[in-house]
Amino acid sequence: GNSVTQMEGPVTLSEEAFLTINCTYTATGYPSLFWYVQYPGEGLQLLLKATKADDKGSNKGFEATYRKETTSFHLEKGSVQVSDSAVYFCALSAFNDYKLSFGAGTTVTVRA
Amino acid sequence: GAGVSQTPSNKVTEKGKYVELRCDPISGHTALYWYRQSLGQGPEFLIYFQGTGAADDSGLPNDRFFAVRPEGSVSTLKIQRTERGDSAVYLCASSLKGTSSGSSYNEQFFGPGTRLTVL
Repeated sequence: GNSVTQMEGPVTLSEEAFLTINCTYTATGYPSLFWYVQYPGEGLQLLLKATKADDKGSNKGFEATYRKETTSFHLEKGSVQVSDSAVYFCALSAFNDYKLSFGAGTTVTVRA
Repeated sequence: GAGVSQTPSNKVTEKGKYVELRCDPISGHTALYWYRQSLGQGPEFLIYFQGTGAADDSGLPNDRFFAVRPEGSVSTLKIQRTERGDSAVYLCASSLKGTSSGSSYNEQFFGPGTRLTVL
């Protein structure tokens, strides 16, 4: 079946540090890949997505590249801010499917 | 505009009781989804509605769980004879259409969730 494995947290960083959260997946065919973010007290929000191999999703300074050869979709940001403190979820949906399969989430705390 | 809303935000109940959780999707969204998020885990799919019908209920854990969407808008997740293991955050999401999640028509917008605690 489809599954997502992401880096365990929590992760604590200082402002302006570089952030990487690793995500690997198992799926048949060509899934779509997503990063969702959950800020404190808020619902899940789509951060970025990629629908085919070598696509790069980007938003709010975050980037992730769909790597089919390594079945990975690592999230990166070059310079984090306190406002980036949140829980980040990697997710996938199988080709032509609507269901999302999520990783366990990574809690990121950015200190001023 | 208004996003997905869920009520109540918190629900505490006793083992064996019946609970109903409500979801108001974004107006005009035909697809509606329920997920369950246990502590320290990511959300897990429960059920998907396209319009009024449950197109896929393969994620419901057992027959104590049931969901309806009688008019194709608001949905209610119903849990009978609650157990302590049902304690979790129940998330609702909606999307414009129920096609592939990779499609721009199917971005799922999530509500804030209902935290259910079974004592």
